[in-house]
Amino acid sequence: KQEVTQIPAALSVPEGENLVLNCSFTDSAIYNLQWFRQDPGKGLTSLLLIQSSQREQTSGRLNASLDKSSGRSTLYIAASQPGDSATYLCAPWGSSNTGKLIFGQGTTLQVKP
Amino acid sequence: DAGVTQSPTHLIKTRGQQVTLRCSPKSGHDTVSWYQQALGQGPQFIFQYYEEEERQRGNFPDRFSGHQFPNYSSELNVNALLLGDSALYLCASSLAAGAGIEQYFGPGTRLTVT
Repeated sequence: KQEVTQIPAALSVPEGENLVLNCSFTDSAIYNLQWFRQDPGKGLTSLLLIQSSQREQTSGRLNASLDKSSGRSTLYIAASQPGDSATYLCAPWGSSNTGKLIFGQGTTLQVKP
Repeated sequence: DAGVTQSPTHLIKTRGQQVTLRCSPKSGHDTVSWYQQALGQGPQFIFQYYEEEERQRGNFPDRFSGHQFPNYSSELNVNALLLGDSALYLCASSLAAGAGIEQYFGPGTRLTVT
């Protein structure tokens, strides 16, 4: 059974800092992993989809890495901005959760001006 | 290109009532999944519809049911509402029902049960 843990649960940083969000999953037999952003009370916006054959995926100031063997993914946000304030969720796809995403509780990020 | 849409945006119901939520998938997508997200929690999978059939189901009681129409839109029905059903209900669509297919989420429907 796939379980997902995200650390830290909450993070508050000043504007301009580079930061790393962590995602751990118990079943390393995954096809890919998707990172999402969620603004308060809103739906999920897909940020990055990283395939199991990839080690990194980049989109603008965001960089996601994946280490299947250790069951870990990180989301790196460069030069953080107040507009980055949101909850970030990771969801691995694997053989133990075919057809459905399994989410952790997310990391809630606050970037202060 | 229209993304995933959901209606209504907000809904307030009384315990014991029934509710229907609606979802239109992203253009070109044929698979719809529903998730429940309680406050402060990650989304929990309810079920998935593909080719008008329920293909997978999460750990939710039979009070939760759904339907997919020939145009791929979907409804989520919840009967005999409980206070604990208060949550954000999210719809996700994808191209095909296989594992590892990128999911696109709608804005959600906020259900409050009083």
